Amino acid sequence: GAGVSQSPSNKVTEKGKDVELRCDPISGHTALYWYRQSLGQGLEFLIYFQGNSAPDKSGLPSDRFSAERTGGSVSTLTIQRTQQEDSAVYLCASSLVSGGAIYEQFFGPGTRLTVL
Amino acid sequence: GESVGLHLPTLSVQEGDNSIINCAYSNSASDYFIWYKQESGKGPQFIIDIRSNMDKRQGQRVTVLLNKTVKHLSLQIAATQPGDSAVYFCAESYNTDKLIFGTGTRLQVFP
Repeated sequence: GAGVSQSPSNKVTEKGKDVELRCDPISGHTALYWYRQSLGQGLEFLIYFQGNSAPDKSGLPSDRFSAERTGGSVSTLTIQRTQQEDSAVYLCASSLVSGGAIYEQFFGPGTRLTVL
Repeated sequence: GESVGLHLPTLSVQEGDNSIINCAYSNSASDYFIWYKQESGKGPQFIIDIRSNMDKRQGQRVTVLLNKTVKHLSLQIAATQPGDSAVYFCAESYNTDKLIFGTGTRLQVFP
């Protein structure tokens, strides 16, 4: 079956421009996550959507970052006025939350963002 | 945001030996734990999970051990192979809340 997909796979942009990164989760997965990973580092949590609950935005590094999840499925991460330090791989993951239990996250291939 | 550190600890093992990767988790109330493997240029891949009502779970060549008393999680890989070389992350969750990832460990397998 289809896994988590992300687009674009690579994005090169100029400093100060806005970018949108897209994530298509696995169908039926109610939880969706965005992470950022800089070269050689761990996973930095950004935002978490679970069902109809208000998203957990506690990981967003600044107000230039925002994310939406439309119809409980596709999500878009937007970075406004990009800075060079925003360069990283942005990973999306989805998981099933059912019966009061959470299950493993499935990750997409990531979007490599380069800000020149 | 939550940062998981700049320098990944590295474990070097010889091919065929057993590997043990350790992780200290932060929340004593966490009830779900996962180990992920991340190869270069790829997203993390699920290896094995365990819930807090268990202290051991086995998969194919992998075993996860959970010690709730000291908030410690370990991943044991039997007969380590070159294809096991990757960065390994543990993650914890409480009550269906988001997974929190620990600092990864780089496993290097040499012949």
